[in-house]
Amino acid sequence: DVKVTQSSRYLVKRTGEKVFLECVQDMDHENMFWYRQDPGLGLRLIYFSYDVKMKEKGDIPEGYSVSREKKERFSLILESASTNQTSMYLCASSKDRGVDTQYFGPGTRLTVL
Amino acid sequence: ELKVEQNPLFLSMQEGKNYTIYCNYSTTSDRLYWYRQDPGKSLESLFVLLSNGAVKQEGRLMASLDTKARLSTLHITAAVHDLSATYFCAVVLMDSNYQLIWGAGTKLIIKP
Repeated sequence: DVKVTQSSRYLVKRTGEKVFLECVQDMDHENMFWYRQDPGLGLRLIYFSYDVKMKEKGDIPEGYSVSREKKERFSLILESASTNQTSMYLCASSKDRGVDTQYFGPGTRLTVL
Repeated sequence: ELKVEQNPLFLSMQEGKNYTIYCNYSTTSDRLYWYRQDPGKSLESLFVLLSNGAVKQEGRLMASLDTKARLSTLHITAAVHDLSATYFCAVVLMDSNYQLIWGAGTKLIIKP
């Protein structure tokens, strides 16, 4: 079974703090994705990566950055957390570029006070 | 810009009834996914529909895709309580690194 793990299920941070969200997949997938999920808005893509050290902006990259130093690990960084970044963050991975099912981690619910 | 609309966004129904969730999208795509999310849990893939006329079924759920109408349906037959969840459709954005564009989700509550 594909396993995607995220470093924290719940996280509470203060405005202005630097926040790291980590995601690890164990199936040697090429592609990794970071989404945020907000009620009534579905999932919105923040960043994605099709290869190590490669990254591409999604629909809402502002205020976020990412790092992919190893194939299995994809990190989302909030340089200076703000209250409007309070959300559920979901990491996903898929095997191949193009048509391929994305497998999701359990999510991190981040609250910024 | 590709937009994906699901309706209804909320559905409360009795066990044993049939119902359909609709997923409309605004520009050409021939690939669509359905996912399920249980409360407090992550998303689980249900179906991938890869061509016009595709139909997939698993248990009481059946999904279909009409690329000409830009419409997918998720039909629930004789609903049971265990199917209570939020259901999302996601459409592949062609010519854009195959990014997925997601609907807002349909929250389905099935009452015994």
